[in-house]
Amino acid sequence: DVKVTQSSRYLVKRTGEKVFLECVQDMDHENMFWYRQDPGLGLRLIYFSYDVKMKEKGDIPEGYSVSREKKERFSLILESASTNQTSMYLCASSLGLAGSYNEQFFGPGTRLTVL
Amino acid sequence: AQSVTQLDSQVPVFEEAPVELRCNYSSSVSVYLFWYVQYPNQGLQLLLKYLSGSTLVKGINGFEAEFNKSQTSFHLRKPSVHISDTAEYFCARREAGSYQLTFGKGTKLSVIP
Repeated sequence: DVKVTQSSRYLVKRTGEKVFLECVQDMDHENMFWYRQDPGLGLRLIYFSYDVKMKEKGDIPEGYSVSREKKERFSLILESASTNQTSMYLCASSLGLAGSYNEQFFGPGTRLTVL
Repeated sequence: AQSVTQLDSQVPVFEEAPVELRCNYSSSVSVYLFWYVQYPNQGLQLLLKYLSGSTLVKGINGFEAEFNKSQTSFHLRKPSVHISDTAEYFCARREAGSYQLTFGKGTKLSVIP
């Protein structure tokens, strides 16, 4: 079974702190994704990566950055957390080859609260 | 712009009754469609997918969906729901050649005993 794990289920941080959310997948997937989920808004893509050290902006990249130094690990960074970044963050991974079908597998999510 | 519209934000239904969760998508030459389910405090799990071929797609837990190109719809159905189906359901689309999934805003299904 594909497994996508996220470092924390719940996280509480203060405004202005630097926050790292970590995601690890164990199936040698090329693609990794970070979404945020808010009530009534569904899932919105923040960033994705199709290879080590490669990244692409999604729909809402402002206030976030990412890092992918190893194939299995994809980090989301909030340089200076703000209260409007309080949300559920979901990581996903999929096999490469954008031209073919590849299911995205999701982690359990990290619920981040910024006070 | 790519979009997915889930027409109902909440759907209450009695146990053992049928249910339909509606989804419309923006059309494209080649598009893949998905339904995901999210149980409370969990990540998303794939229910079913349409890639090509037969317009009726069967998924896990007794769910099925019908791809209708003329109406740009991909509605999810189950003939008889259980309490355990209480969850949030997301419709999503992906264009061939793209990495990106576009999600609808979700429909919360509440099954009433």
